Amino acid sequence: DQQVKQNSPSLSVQEGRISILNCDYTNSMFDYFLWYKKYPAEGPTFLISISSIKDKNEDGRFTVFLNKSAKHLSLHIVPSQPGDSAVYFCAASGGGTGNQFYFGTGTSLTVIP
Amino acid sequence: GAVVSQHPSRVICKSGTSVKIECRSLDFQATTMFWYRQFPKQSLMLMATSNEGSKATYEQGVEKDKFLINHASLTLSTLTVTSAHPEDSSFYICSASGQYNSPLHFGNGTRLTVT
Repeated sequence: DQQVKQNSPSLSVQEGRISILNCDYTNSMFDYFLWYKKYPAEGPTFLISISSIKDKNEDGRFTVFLNKSAKHLSLHIVPSQPGDSAVYFCAASGGGTGNQFYFGTGTSLTVIP
Repeated sequence: GAVVSQHPSRVICKSGTSVKIECRSLDFQATTMFWYRQFPKQSLMLMATSNEGSKATYEQGVEKDKFLINHASLTLSTLTVTSAHPEDSSFYICSASGQYNSPLHFGNGTRLTVT
């Protein structure tokens, strides 16, 4: 049972525009959410996180939005750069799951120069 | 920031041999470490969760006798692929977590090729 879902396997965006990556979850007990970036043949790199007490967290060009009622989070990258081209995974944890993390299936972002 | 070191990055072995992969947390104590496997063009598949000083918890369908996990200290976990076969060829990634609600940090992965 996939508790964290990324329904868009791929996304293409022009350089300089905004990239919006979406993620949905089913477990209302999750209280900590993260985004990771992954290049081929490398481990994922932590990008940004948000706890359930917030609805927005910013770090430079990256902003994560959390809508708890909709069980939805999104990652905004603005402006998008060619170096942002990678696979992005969202993850969720907490709320009785112990220290377990649940990952989405990833969205491959291509930023076109 | 937090760093997780995974070694080796690449290994080629013959069918029937065993391979050990190490995962170390370099600047934090990892109470929990996770082992993932990634197939081409697929997501990360959690294989097992290991907690320091206790037996690993394996996901359904993962053979615990084939994929031996040892988490002997708060900074080291090892995955041993025993009697490797070509179908075990894959990209294995470890990750480590410290405190509750802190990010999970990943190693750079190990590309295993079994010939």
